[in-house]
Amino acid sequence: GDSVTQMEGPVTLSEEAFLTINCTYTATGYPSLFWYVQYPGEGLQLLLKATKADDKGSNKGFEATYRKETTSFHLEKGSVQVSDSAVYFCALKDNYGQNFVFGPGTRLSVLP
Amino acid sequence: DTGVSQNPRHKITKRGQNVTFRCDPISEHNRLYWYRQTLGQGPEFLTYFQNEAQLEKSRLLSDRFSAERPKGSFSTLEIQRTEQGDSAMYLCASSLLTGMNTEAFFGQGTRLTVV
Repeated sequence: GDSVTQMEGPVTLSEEAFLTINCTYTATGYPSLFWYVQYPGEGLQLLLKATKADDKGSNKGFEATYRKETTSFHLEKGSVQVSDSAVYFCALKDNYGQNFVFGPGTRLSVLP
Repeated sequence: DTGVSQNPRHKITKRGQNVTFRCDPISEHNRLYWYRQTLGQGPEFLTYFQNEAQLEKSRLLSDRFSAERPKGSFSTLEIQRTEQGDSAMYLCASSLLTGMNTEAFFGQGTRLTVV
């Protein structure tokens, strides 16, 4: 079945450092890909998405590019802030648009 | 619209008791999903509805679990004869049925603790 793999956390960075969180997927066909973020005490929020190969999703300084050849959707940000501390989930929506499959999440802590 | 609403936010119950959670989706959304999330894990799919029809159920959804969405509006998730392994965050999400690229909007979840 479909699955999503993320780099294990926690990831601890200093403010203004560069962030990469790796995400790879296994799916039949061509899924849509998403990054969701969960801030402490809050529900999951969509951060960005990409629907086809080579699409780049971006929001709040975060970017991710849909790489079909490597089945990856790595999340990047050039300069993290303390307020980016959260858990980040990579997810896919399968070929038939039925349900969402999530990775295990990566906890990010940004220190001032 | 204030988004997806879930009630209660927290529920503590004794093992063997029944519990019911409610989800109110975004009003125009015709798809509604239930997920379960345990500590340190990503959300795991339980079931989803398209309008009032329950179209798919995960193998995680044992016969002690039942979900309904009468009239395609709010949904309830009931767990009968709760077990300690049922302790988790139960998440509800809704989306529009407009294609693969449509994202899901999540509620804040109901945290269940079975003692």
